[in-house]
Amino acid sequence: QVQLQESGPGLVKPSETLSLTCTVSGGSISSYYWSWIRQPPGKGLEWIGYIYYSGSTNYNPSLKSRVTISVDTSKNQFSLKLSSVTAADTAVYYCARIKLAALGGYYYYGMDVWGQGTTVTVSS
Amino acid sequence: DIQMTQSPSSLSASVGDRVTITCRASQSISSYLNWYQQKPGKAPKLLIYAASSLQSGVPSRFSGSGSGTDFTLTISSLQPEDFATYYCQQSYSTRATFGPGTKVDIK
Repeated sequence: QVQLQESGPGLVKPSETLSLTCTVSGGSISSYYWSWIRQPPGKGLEWIGYIYYSGSTNYNPSLKSRVTISVDTSKNQFSLKLSSVTAADTAVYYCARIKLAALGGYYYYGMDVWGQGTTVTVSS
Repeated sequence: DIQMTQSPSSLSASVGDRVTITCRASQSISSYLNWYQQKPGKAPKLLIYAASSLQSGVPSRFSGSGSGTDFTLTISSLQPEDFATYYCQQSYSTRATFGPGTKVDIK
């Protein structure tokens, strides 16, 4: 079965760039969309963006100027970069696979496989 | 962006109770609505997609209904492992948004 694992620094200084990688095991990264989601301490879920294995992306408008998501199919990985971080970017960061389901001629999507999450703290 | 609201924000229930959680979208999203369960310290788990389709492996006591702007998640008989926070998420837009969550705890 497909498993996802986030990796990267747990501590990032303000104004620097947060960089995380999600490694996909037990399956291929091809033919799927992949997403990043974050959750500040004690708060709800915020979608950051997604990438198709071919490289096309879509980002949350509120983060778009600071976010880059990329994919490396040779390594079965996709990555997140968030620039100019502040304390407000402190959160648990999750990577997830996007499932597409065809029902009645329409396509629906949901995030069906998630990594365990990695805590990133922004502090000097 | 499409805004999602949930009610109640929290509820207390007993094992065996029937529990209903409501989610409302700021505009019509047809049936493009997912439900997730999250336990403390764990990643969310997809329960329901397309408003009423049960994700593989999810117990049949979970069900979803609704379309347009109003949706419900029902747990027919609450089990000890169901105490968690539940989030709705719209998939009508490619820019996904989540509801604020409903915490279900033990009465």
